[in-house]
Amino acid sequence: GQNIDQPTEMTATEGAIVQINCTYQTSGFNGLFWYQQHAGEAPTFLSYNVLDGLEEKGRFSSFLSRSKGYSYLLLKELQMKDSASYLCAVLDSNYQLIWGAGTKLIIKP
Amino acid sequence: IAGITQAPTSQILAAGRRMTLRCTQDMRHNAMYWYRQDLGLGLRLIHYSNTAGTTGKGEVPDGYSVSRANTDDFPLTLASAVPSQTSVYFCASSLREGSLNTGELFFGEGSRLTVL
Repeated sequence: GQNIDQPTEMTATEGAIVQINCTYQTSGFNGLFWYQQHAGEAPTFLSYNVLDGLEEKGRFSSFLSRSKGYSYLLLKELQMKDSASYLCAVLDSNYQLIWGAGTKLIIKP
Repeated sequence: IAGITQAPTSQILAAGRRMTLRCTQDMRHNAMYWYRQDLGLGLRLIHYSNTAGTTGKGEVPDGYSVSRANTDDFPLTLASAVPSQTSVYFCASSLREGSLNTGELFFGEGSRLTVL
C-alpha cells in the first residue's frame, strides 16, 4: 500500500528553526509537495521537489532524497503566523496526490 | 469570482437527505477534485475529473457522485447522507495536460458538513 508518514505535532519557539520530516512509500514517484494549512482554512502550496536536493524559498526550504523516500521542510526565523499544519503529499505513478495526515506546528513566544 | 469557490461553507442535515456541494473555478483549469478531510487522516480523494465530460473515482467514492458538464463547475452530490459523511470537504483544481500534472492544487475554502 501507499503510505506517507509525518509527525503529528511539533512545538518550536518564535525566531528559531524547525525541521518537519516526511517519509513515503508510494507506487512510483513524480514529485513531492508541501502545503501549509492554517486552522479552518484551505491548504496552500509551499513547495515542490522532484529532484534530489534542497530547494530554498525565502524562510522556507524543502529537501528531497528519492533513494531514501524522505523529505523535510525547514522553516527558519519562525514567526507566530507560521503556526499551522504542514501537509506532505507525493504524486504517484498515476499522477494522483497521496497525502500525509499533516504535522501541526505550534509556535511559542 | 476569483479562484475557486465552494458553497455552502457550512451545512447541517439529517441522515437520509440528499445534498449537493457546489464548486466553481474561474482559472480554466482542466482538472478538478473533491477531497474530504477528517481529523488524524490525510486528505482523501473522493472523485476527480481530468477534463470536462470525464470523471473518475478516487480513494473513497462510495456514497458520492459528481458531474463535470463544463470546465468551471464540479458539483459533489451525497444521494442519501449518513453520519460517517460528516467531514470538511475541499474542492480543488489544477492545470493538467494529458498525463502531465503540475500537481499544484488550488483549493476552495471548504464546506463543513454535519450529518445527524
